[in-house]
Amino acid sequence: QVQLVQSGAEVKKPGASVKVSCKASGYTFTSYGISWVRQAPGQGLEWMGWISAYNGNTNYAQKLQGRVTMTTDTSTSTAYMELRSLRSDDTAVYYCARGAVTSFLDYWGQGTLVTVSS
Amino acid sequence: EIVLTQSPDFQSVTPKEKVTITCRASQSIGSSLHWYQQKPDQSPKLLIKYASQSFSGVPSRFSGSGSGTDFTLTINSLEAEDAATYYCHQSSSLPGTFGQGTKLEIK
Repeated sequence: QVQLVQSGAEVKKPGASVKVSCKASGYTFTSYGISWVRQAPGQGLEWMGWISAYNGNTNYAQKLQGRVTMTTDTSTSTAYMELRSLRSDDTAVYYCARGAVTSFLDYWGQGTLVTVSS
Repeated sequence: EIVLTQSPDFQSVTPKEKVTITCRASQSIGSSLHWYQQKPDQSPKLLIKYASQSFSGVPSRFSGSGSGTDFTLTINSLEAEDAATYYCHQSSSLPGTFGQGTKLEIK
């Protein structure tokens, strides 16, 4: 069965960076892309960007351009999302989800809570 | 970017009732509209893809309709386990965007 397993919760200080991992199993990793979606406490869902696991092409939300980098390691079927220059309003649960860049998201990771606090 | 507006924001309903949630797009998105269910402290789960196609394993009481700018998620004969927040999501153009969510409370 398709599974996306994310890394554990993180606590970071403002200005630091965080890197969240998302390990895929149960399907051919390079046949799908991975989107990243975040959810601030008590808020809705925000699309952050997408990466093709086939060729590494990316598309990022404009508001995060310059602070976010998405990568994949096909040898371990793992996707990564790094967010730099963290601010308090980056505090959120970060999800990875499988899907094409312009398509539905059919399987989601369990989420990773990133807390930014001094 | 395309803005999705859901209504209502909140609804309190009784079991076996029929529920309708709407999602309106700020411009035409064809059928590139998907619906998700998120229960407290859980990840979102895909219910409906491309406006009306049920995702594998989703109970038949969930259905979707619409195209262009107006879409509907219908839950027939609501069950207690359907208490959740429901989100629409458009993938017609980048960036992908989500509606603000509709929270269903079961009386």
